[in-house]
Amino acid sequence: KAGVTQTPRYLIKTRGQQVTLSCSPISGHRSVSWYQQTPGQGLQFLFEYFSETQRNKGNFPGRFSGRQFSNSRSEMNVSTLELGDSALYLCASSSGLIGYTFGSGTRLTVV
Amino acid sequence: DAKTTQPPSMDCAEGRAANLPCNHSTISGNEYVYWYRQIHSQGPQYIIHGLKNNETNEMASLIITEDRKSSTLILPHATLRDTAVYYCIVRVEETSGSRLTFGEGTQLTVNP
Repeated sequence: KAGVTQTPRYLIKTRGQQVTLSCSPISGHRSVSWYQQTPGQGLQFLFEYFSETQRNKGNFPGRFSGRQFSNSRSEMNVSTLELGDSALYLCASSSGLIGYTFGSGTRLTVV
Repeated sequence: DAKTTQPPSMDCAEGRAANLPCNHSTISGNEYVYWYRQIHSQGPQYIIHGLKNNETNEMASLIITEDRKSSTLILPHATLRDTAVYYCIVRVEETSGSRLTFGEGTQLTVNP
């Protein structure tokens, strides 16, 4: 069974640009969550999507957004990038019954 | 979700059992205890979870005290590959929307 796939694996962007990250969940999983991990703040919840609807949101500014498609694939977008947005962005999928399966993450560096 | 408290770091000799404690004194009756671990720069990996009873799987055992205010994750025969940050999380088991609240975790170092 294929795991959670996140692309790209690494990304370098310039301050002020925008970025889109992609996540393909495990087949059959309808819930996709996004997390940000930084050395200072640790792992923080961004948002969760289920059946194309955002049903949970963390405490992040509106520059962070996401969406989910009918095949459960999800994207997150960060607009007007700031240096502090440099982080490991993790996607997790769940069938809602046991736990979350995380992808390997996208390492975003803002310069 | 209830808050958890874990020691920041622990050491263990290879081949010995690693016992990682977690305090969750404000846990509610419908909150599960989950354990995840994260090896450097990888995504967290699910290990085990439980509600009241002790649980065991191929990776680890979870011992939950009778009052449910604390638990211990046991890796029976630690290997060097078990070196990671271990997170104890409590959350409500639900299908209508949830999140994982990660704390600082315990850095477990398995020494040869």
